[in-house]
Amino acid sequence: DTAVSQTPKYLVTQMGNDKSIKCEQNLGHDTMYWYKQDSKKFLKIMFSYNNKELIINETVPNRFSPKSPDKAHLNLHINSLELGDSAVYFCASSQDWGGRGSADTQYFGPGTRLTVL
Amino acid sequence: AQKVTQAQTEISVVEKEDVTLDCVYETRDTTYYLFWYKQPPSGELVFLIRRNSFDEQNEISGRYSWNFQKSTSSFNFTITASQVVDSAVYFCALSKNQAGTALIFGKGTTLSVSS
Repeated sequence: DTAVSQTPKYLVTQMGNDKSIKCEQNLGHDTMYWYKQDSKKFLKIMFSYNNKELIINETVPNRFSPKSPDKAHLNLHINSLELGDSAVYFCASSQDWGGRGSADTQYFGPGTRLTVL
Repeated sequence: AQKVTQAQTEISVVEKEDVTLDCVYETRDTTYYLFWYKQPPSGELVFLIRRNSFDEQNEISGRYSWNFQKSTSSFNFTITASQVVDSAVYFCALSKNQAGTALIFGKGTTLSVSS
């Protein structure tokens, strides 16, 4: 049973195309995230959603739009792909402890390697 | 602002050697969380440990151990009797005490264990 899954695992596309990456978690978690890992393996947060509401929206181009149809899914749509978008994109999820605070452990999906030609 | 520094970019050891990966963090928060993740050559991110700022007890899990020292803002990770399967990139990360908050990652340390 895969806890956090992403599709596709590899995505090769041309500049200017629009593409989506899907993420699903079966852990019953309330919060989901997207991270980007660049060619130097540096990991940085892009977005986080809690119960379908946007919490974190880091400085990423407007071409990136997350969509959360329900709390088990957080998809990433990218418009007008550019060469610099080539990276590995990781989805993650964590349990939300609500008003008690506490940053719970984030569990990551296998990653999607996006290559823009 | 929060920051995590992993000064060791790459470490190479021979099997059965002990190795320590350093992690130094910066934060103005009094309550925060520290994490270690492993990224093997296959690419996934594997959770290893989570520690809150009020728990300075060292932790041991098999060949892995962690040393948390608030006085030096360090959260170091030691692998005892390293094995080839330990070869990976190891990331230290920091987060606020807040649900849904981001992990702030260090740049990672690449560990290569040869037989």
